[in-house]
Amino acid sequence: AQSVTQLDSHVSVSEGTPVLLRCNYSSSYSPSLFWYVQHPNKGLQLLLKYTSAATLVKGINGFEAEFKKSETSFHLTKPSAHMSDAAEYFCVVTDNQAGTALIFGKGTTLSVSS
Amino acid sequence: GAVVSQHPSWVICKSGTSVKIECRSLDFQATTMFWYRQFPKQSLMLMATSNEGSKATYEQGVEKDKFLINHASLTLSTLTVTSAHPEDSSFYICSARDPIKGDVGETQYFGPGTRLLVL
Repeated sequence: AQSVTQLDSHVSVSEGTPVLLRCNYSSSYSPSLFWYVQHPNKGLQLLLKYTSAATLVKGINGFEAEFKKSETSFHLTKPSAHMSDAAEYFCVVTDNQAGTALIFGKGTTLSVSS
Repeated sequence: GAVVSQHPSWVICKSGTSVKIECRSLDFQATTMFWYRQFPKQSLMLMATSNEGSKATYEQGVEKDKFLINHASLTLSTLTVTSAHPEDSSFYICSARDPIKGDVGETQYFGPGTRLLVL
């Protein structure tokens, strides 16, 4: 069985400061992990994904995440927040078995103030 | 990149009517599509997995007679909300998996969603 826990429902940062969105997972198999972003009234956009290659994954818009198996974590970071980063972020896990759907975390709302 | 469209993007209907939502993969063939439901300020909940040419697999608690799914071609899946009621009002999102690009990462491409309001 798989599950994903996003540890913060809401994160507020100032523009130009670092962003950290936390995610812990559990999976019976070697998982694939994703971060998706959802802007208001828009579809989900894939930020980055981990699929058992490099543990440090770089994504779009300056985001990156590090897969830490010992900590079962996949936290999302960005060195410097931009106003346009304000959105809902979802950490997602799948166990790589054929036909397995994605399991979504509850989401973290990122607010960026000027 | 792969594009998934949904139609309509917005629908308002009267209680008791049926509403059909279409999900199309525009530049790839999708053997598997997924339907999700998202309540305001909440996460996506998987409703069903739709496989081309076979019956959909519904998640526990999802009424298959109420949410009819048809995946008649490799580029189209439809979700029909039958006899809709106000509690069915929600944001419905589909996703499609590209089997050619389907590495072990199970990359899925999401549609923009359909907002349903039942009066």
